[in-house]
Amino acid sequence: GDSVTQMEGPVTLSEEAFLTINCTYTATGYPSLFWYVQYPGEGLQLLLKATKADDKGSNKGFEATYRKETTSFHLEKGSVQVSDSAVYFCALSGSGVSSGSARQLTFGSGTQLTVLP
Amino acid sequence: DTGVSQDPRHKITKRGQNVTFRCDPISEHNRLYWYRQTLGQGPEFLTYFQNEAQLEKSRLLSDRFSAERPKGSFSTLEIQRTEQGDSAMYLCASSLGRYGQETQYFGPGTRLLVL
Repeated sequence: GDSVTQMEGPVTLSEEAFLTINCTYTATGYPSLFWYVQYPGEGLQLLLKATKADDKGSNKGFEATYRKETTSFHLEKGSVQVSDSAVYFCALSGSGVSSGSARQLTFGSGTQLTVLP
Repeated sequence: DTGVSQDPRHKITKRGQNVTFRCDPISEHNRLYWYRQTLGQGPEFLTYFQNEAQLEKSRLLSDRFSAERPKGSFSTLEIQRTEQGDSAMYLCASSLGRYGQETQYFGPGTRLLVL
C-alpha cells in the first residue's frame, strides 16, 4: 500500500537558518503530494501541494518539488522564523481508480520544528 | 470564515460510555473524511463520504464506530462502549472532488480522552 517516510525530528534551528525536511513516498500510479502544518492546539493547515511530476508547490516562503524519479517531496525554506515553529506533515493522496474513489491522505509521522530567536 | 468546524473541541468520558462528534464541512464540498491522530503520529484514515453515501471504511474502524452524513451535509462519528485506546484526536476534512485536483481542508479536531 501507499506509504510516506518523513525525516524524523525534532528539528531545532536558529532564526534565519535554512530548513530542509525530507519526505519520500511509495505509491502506485500518480499521487498528489502535500505538506500540511499543525500549530500547537490547532488542526492541520495545508501549506503547499503538487499534483504531478516536476511541479513545485510554494507558499509563505516554503517550497517543495515533486520528484518522481527519486519519489521525494522535500520541504525547504531559505530563512525560518520563530513563527514557523510547528509540526510538519508530508502526505500523499492516491490517484483513485474512478472519479468516485476515496482519495484519503496517507501521512508521514510528522516533524517537529522549533525555531529559536 | 466558513471553514470546517467540529464540535466539541474536547471530550472527556469514562470507559464504556458512548460519545458522538459532529463535523460541519465547507458548504459546497461533497466529500467528507474522518481521520484519527494519536500523539506523535500522523493522522490515519477512518472513513469517507461522497455526499450522503459512506463509500469506504478503514480496517481501523471497528464495529463500535459508526459514522453518518444525512443529506450530505454535516457528519457525525459515534463511538460506542469507549475504550482507553480510543483516546486520540479525531479530525474531519472536506473537499470538492474534482478529479486529480482534490485538496482536503481540515477542521480543528475533537480531542477525546477516555478515562
